[in-house]
Amino acid sequence: QQQVKQSPQSLIVQKGGISIINCAYENTAFDYFPWYQQFPGKGPALLIAIRPDVSEKKEGRFTISFNKSAKQFSLHIMDSQPGDSATYFCAAGATNKLIFGTGTLLAVQP
Amino acid sequence: SQTIHQWPATLVQPVGSPLSLECTVEGTSNPNLYWYRQAAGRGLQLLFYSVGIGQISSEVPQNLSASRPQDRQFILSSKKLLLSDSGFYLCAWKRESSSTDTQYFGPGTRLTVL
Repeated sequence: QQQVKQSPQSLIVQKGGISIINCAYENTAFDYFPWYQQFPGKGPALLIAIRPDVSEKKEGRFTISFNKSAKQFSLHIMDSQPGDSATYFCAAGATNKLIFGTGTLLAVQP
Repeated sequence: SQTIHQWPATLVQPVGSPLSLECTVEGTSNPNLYWYRQAAGRGLQLLFYSVGIGQISSEVPQNLSASRPQDRQFILSSKKLLLSDSGFYLCAWKRESSSTDTQYFGPGTRLTVL
């Protein structure tokens, strides 16, 4: 019940395309859903986050869509760029802790 | 602004040797502090977290331990390293005032146990 399932494991997108990464959770006590971006050899950095009282949040080219009834949320990267190539982690939070998905390795081809 | 430091950046240690990794946070008081391990190509596994000095919660039973001797200092230790302890160790902090809030990660320590 504490797991966060993330898919796909890897993703290849052409420059200018849309990258979509999905996550699902079970624990309805989760009330904070961030996405992190990690470049090789670096620590993860917060990209965007959402709380369950809204269904969508957009920041620049990055959008989170949240479906509370389905217990799913997704990250959409519009106009994907080679510089977006990184590993992306979703997470779900409650009680001082975050549970992370297993990560998606995104490669944006020029 | 807040800054989180980790050292060393990289470490190569023989099996059976001790370990001490340090994490410090600047620019905030009484943060929650976290230690994660990331195996190659894998997700982040929470090892320990602390909500205050001397308060440590262990998430995964193993030969690692954590201590918080000062408000903004978090130390990860081992008496005898195993090959399976190799990985990328990340420290993170978040503001203690909110039960769920953003965690900010440090630059990490790459540990190789030979």
